[in-house]
Amino acid sequence: GAGVSQSPRYKVAKRGQDVALRCDPISGHVSLFWYQQALGQGPEFLTYFQNEAQLDKSGLPSDRFFAERPEGSVSTLKIQRTQQEDSAVYLCASTLGHPGSSYNEQFFGPGTRLTVL
Amino acid sequence: KNEVEQSPQNLTAQEGEFITINCSYSVGISALHWLQQHPGGGIVSLFMLSSGKKKHGRLIATINIQEKHSSLHITASHPRDSAVYICAVSQGAQKLVFGQGTRLTINP
Repeated sequence: GAGVSQSPRYKVAKRGQDVALRCDPISGHVSLFWYQQALGQGPEFLTYFQNEAQLDKSGLPSDRFFAERPEGSVSTLKIQRTQQEDSAVYLCASTLGHPGSSYNEQFFGPGTRLTVL
Repeated sequence: KNEVEQSPQNLTAQEGEFITINCSYSVGISALHWLQQHPGGGIVSLFMLSSGKKKHGRLIATINIQEKHSSLHITASHPRDSAVYICAVSQGAQKLVFGQGTRLTINP
C-alpha cells in the first residue's frame, strides 16, 4: 500500500480483555514507532523498532504492554488485561532511514481508537 | 514542565487571517517537526527543520535554535486549515517528543 495502515481502526474491549493492534508500515521502512494519544493530548512515545529489533521500550506504561515486529515489517502491539486508563488512540509511524541518517520524516498511520469499558 | 510547550492551546480566527502558532522546547534536539492532525486521527508531517525557515504554499515554519523556539505561520487562512497542529522534537533522530497540540478553527 501507499501508506502506513493500522487495524482495527476502532476497538471496544471489556476491562480485563486482551487486545492486539496491528501496524503495517510502508514497505522498506526500517524504523517503526508506536505512540499513545490520550483524548485532547499530544501523542506519547511507547516503543521503537529498527527492523526486527526493539531498541527502545521505555515508554511502555506497564508490563501489560508488549510489542513485536518479528520479521522486521508488520508490528503488533498487545495489551493484556486492559484497564480503562488504556483507552486512547494508538498511533504507528514508520521512517525510511536508520537513526542518525539525515532524513527521518515519520509517516503516520490512521491510528486505532481503543475504548475500554 | 513539559519538554515541548505550545501556545495557544486553542485558536479561533476568521478566514483570511494570518495565523501564528508557537512552540518552545527545553531539550537539545536534532530536528523540530510540525504536524497536522485532522479529526479521525490521521497525522501528516508538514515540516521538519533544524535551522532557519521553510515555506510550503501558505505555510511557513521558522526555528531559532539559540532561543529554542519555533513558529508555524499560516497566511490567508481558510476553513480547510482547521485542524490540530502539533510541534514535536526529535533527539538523536529517533523517537518524537510531542507538544500538546494547538486546535485551530477557521470560521468562514
